Amino acid sequence: AQTVTQSQPEMSVQEAETVTLSCTYDTSESDYYLFWYKQPPSRQMILVIRQEAYKQQNATENRFSVNFQKAAKSFSLKISDSQLGDAAMYFCAYRSARNNAGNMLTFGGGTRLMVKP
Amino acid sequence: NAGVTQTPKFRILKIGQSMTLQCAQDMNHNYMYWYRQDPGMGLKLIYYSVGAGITDKGEVPNGYNVSRSTTEDFPLRLELAAPSQTSVYFCASSYLQTTNEKLFFGSGTQLSVL
Repeated sequence: AQTVTQSQPEMSVQEAETVTLSCTYDTSESDYYLFWYKQPPSRQMILVIRQEAYKQQNATENRFSVNFQKAAKSFSLKISDSQLGDAAMYFCAYRSARNNAGNMLTFGGGTRLMVKP
Repeated sequence: NAGVTQTPKFRILKIGQSMTLQCAQDMNHNYMYWYRQDPGMGLKLIYYSVGAGITDKGEVPNGYNVSRSTTEDFPLRLELAAPSQTSVYFCASSYLQTTNEKLFFGSGTQLSVL
């Protein structure tokens, strides 16, 4: 079974600065997808960014980018120019690419990001 | 377009009571899921469905039952509520198992069992 670990329960960043959230995972599969989800106080789960394991290029979405290290099984999220609205819980998630996997996500325990004005 | 709708948003149950958490999606998605999120933790999969009439267990199915009689609805049943089931429950859906499929989440149901 796959596991996802987020070792930082809480992180803090100054507004306009850059912060990196860590995520490691354990799997025996070679083909899979990785995601970062944001959960604000409203509880809605919002997809931030996704990465296909077969792609060497790191995904980017505006101020959000990832550092995907497949051999190290590491998938960190970098938030540049942090904004007050970035304050939320962030979850790293894994999904197998196997056809019979049912599209299920395995989540890490989350990192609470605080943004200081 | 409503997306994924969960009801109720909040509920308090007494130990041993039963209830059904409702989930409906209007996007014609064939995949639907139930997750629970304990305080300060990530989400864990309870049950999932790949289409009407087909359901399967996830990581933490004990104490729950599901049914999927239509594409739109995927209710979650708690038969004998226990304090360990105090959690926030999320329903989610997706269309196809493609490489870039997005998972749509409902806004959650906060359940307390006292």
